[in-house]
Amino acid sequence: GAVVSQHPSRVICKSGTSVKIECRSLDFQATTMFWYRQFPKKSLMLMATSNEGSKATYEQGVEKDKFLINHASLTLSTLTVTSAHPEDSSFYICSAAGRIAGQYFGPGTRLTVT
Amino acid sequence: KQEVTQIPAALSVPEGENLVLNCSFTDSAIYNLQWFRQDPGKGLTSLLLIQSSQREQTSGRLNASLDKSSGRSTLYIAASQPGDSATYLCAVSLDTGNQFYFGTGTSLTVIP
Repeated sequence: GAVVSQHPSRVICKSGTSVKIECRSLDFQATTMFWYRQFPKKSLMLMATSNEGSKATYEQGVEKDKFLINHASLTLSTLTVTSAHPEDSSFYICSAAGRIAGQYFGPGTRLTVT
Repeated sequence: KQEVTQIPAALSVPEGENLVLNCSFTDSAIYNLQWFRQDPGKGLTSLLLIQSSQREQTSGRLNASLDKSSGRSTLYIAASQPGDSATYLCAVSLDTGNQFYFGTGTSLTVIP
């Protein structure tokens, strides 16, 4: 089946710094990538949808200037958490959908902001 | 807006029991429904995917059913094992290539 990777799997950063998370589709072209966020013991909430070569569409309540999403190629999307604060600590999961059937999820990135 | 609810939120059963997890969704115009497993601190493992035209899917000890008109799905786990302990999430998609709407999850504990 199709594989989606995320890097890094875990990251700890200090408050005020920026962190970039990569999401890659390894064996298919992802025309659309989704970024989800999961708070402890909560379900996944969609943050934004990105289509290759165009600006991301953010869900209501998600700050686009804080969570920068770039989908520059058909195999890579990045999420940058700018000026991270402890409340940004969360589990971030991406998923990718392409011309093949289905949507495939990455393994997630655990962000801890101290 | 699609809302997905799972009942119960938590479930504890002795090993060997058969169990049913429930998922309901408000908009019946779904494209597909997927059941996932999530272990603590880990990502999602896809268990079963049911297309809107299907009524059920089976994989090993797992059976998922879909009643689109009533907005319900169930995940049946036969002969539960301690290794089945995890959080189970159901999610629906409204169209191919579209986002998934996730349920609130059921935390399952199987007691040896």
